[in-house]
Amino acid sequence: DAGVTQSPTHLIKTRGQQVTLRCSPKSGHDTVSWYQQALGQGPQFIFQYYEEEERQRGNFPDRFSGHQFPNYSSELNVNALLLGDSALYLCASSFSGLARGEQYFGPGTRLTVT
Amino acid sequence: GNSVTQMEGPVTLSEEAFLTINCTYTATGYPSLFWYVQYPGEGLQLLLKATKADDKGSNKGFEATYRKETTSFHLEKGSVQVSDSAVYFCALSKVSGMRFGAGTRLTVKP
Repeated sequence: DAGVTQSPTHLIKTRGQQVTLRCSPKSGHDTVSWYQQALGQGPQFIFQYYEEEERQRGNFPDRFSGHQFPNYSSELNVNALLLGDSALYLCASSFSGLARGEQYFGPGTRLTVT
Repeated sequence: GNSVTQMEGPVTLSEEAFLTINCTYTATGYPSLFWYVQYPGEGLQLLLKATKADDKGSNKGFEATYRKETTSFHLEKGSVQVSDSAVYFCALSKVSGMRFGAGTRLTVKP
């Protein structure tokens, strides 16, 4: 049973560019959440997708957008990259039937903005 | 709003020492509570969880008890090993999403 997978592992972009990160959830999971983890900090909730719609959103600007596909995989898009967007981006999946259940995390994508 | 506060690190212990990492939360209602661990260069792994008051979560020698009266979920281990060196995150989950503490870095020396 494959766990949560993310691609790419590392990414280097220039200020002003756009980036797309990808996530495949754990088998049996239908909900995907995205987090930003700055160096030395805890993960900050960006948003959550369920049934191909954004269900919850944290305190992130509209430059951060996402998508969920019918197979439950998800993408995170960030436009107009800033140096401060450099972080580890974590995807987590869960099952909607457990409203307060645990989330399973992928290994993350390390984004560096220069 | 919902939030988690955990003791600041770093924490450095000798092998076989007793570990406590404090965690308190603020939330309405009855959140589920979790401890996640992050080893260097890796994502977060679920360590243990508790879903209601007085529940005790346990795994790999780690324990934490959901204390509603003190809004706490302190992590304990009786005898730490070098392999326990990692960053530990306390988190709470509600329907509105999961919130994490800032993390506590633990280093165990032989």
